[in-house]
Amino acid sequence: AQSVTQLGSHVSVSEGALVLLRCNYSSSVPPYLFWYVQYPNQGLQLLLKYTTGATLVKGINGFEAEFKKSETSFHLTKPSAHMSDAAEYFCAVSSPNDYKLSFGAGTTVTVRA
Amino acid sequence: DAGVTQSPTHLIKTRGQQVTLRCSPISGHKSVSWYQQVLGQGPQFIFQYYEKEERGRGNFPDRFSARQFPNYSSELNVNALLLGDSALYLCASVLTPIETQYFGPGTRLLVL
Repeated sequence: AQSVTQLGSHVSVSEGALVLLRCNYSSSVPPYLFWYVQYPNQGLQLLLKYTTGATLVKGINGFEAEFKKSETSFHLTKPSAHMSDAAEYFCAVSSPNDYKLSFGAGTTVTVRA
Repeated sequence: DAGVTQSPTHLIKTRGQQVTLRCSPISGHKSVSWYQQVLGQGPQFIFQYYEKEERGRGNFPDRFSARQFPNYSSELNVNALLLGDSALYLCASVLTPIETQYFGPGTRLLVL
């Protein structure tokens, strides 16, 4: 079975500050890892994904994440927060032979002016 | 290209009723997955269909059922609605079952 733990249900940052969202996974096989963003009253939008290869993955809107197998982590970062980054962020895991995404509980990001 | 579309956008039902939600995948995608997102939680997997066959089912009761049509669109049916079925129901479209899933805007169901 695969699972994801997102540390911190709420994160508040100042505009221009670093955004760091933490995600740890559990998987018995090499994982596929994803970060999705959800704006109010909308569906999920893919930010970035890791399947194989380079462990530092760059996504849309200036976000990036690093796969660290030894730490079973896939933390999401953005160097400088913008007001438009206020949303809910979900980390998810699947695997090469699996067909479903297992999501974390989500982290809500608020950005202070 | 059009993304994943879902209908209706909002729905209000009463306990015991039945509901049907619809999803049209991205053109060329042959697989559809359904997820339930209860307020304040992450989405939970309900079903995946590929080439009109069920490929997986999550931990949901038999009141939940789905099907996929020859044009790859899909319906999710929920019978004997309970208050706890109130949620955002998301449909995800994918080219093949192990590729990246792209989500629609969801259908928000409220059961009174």
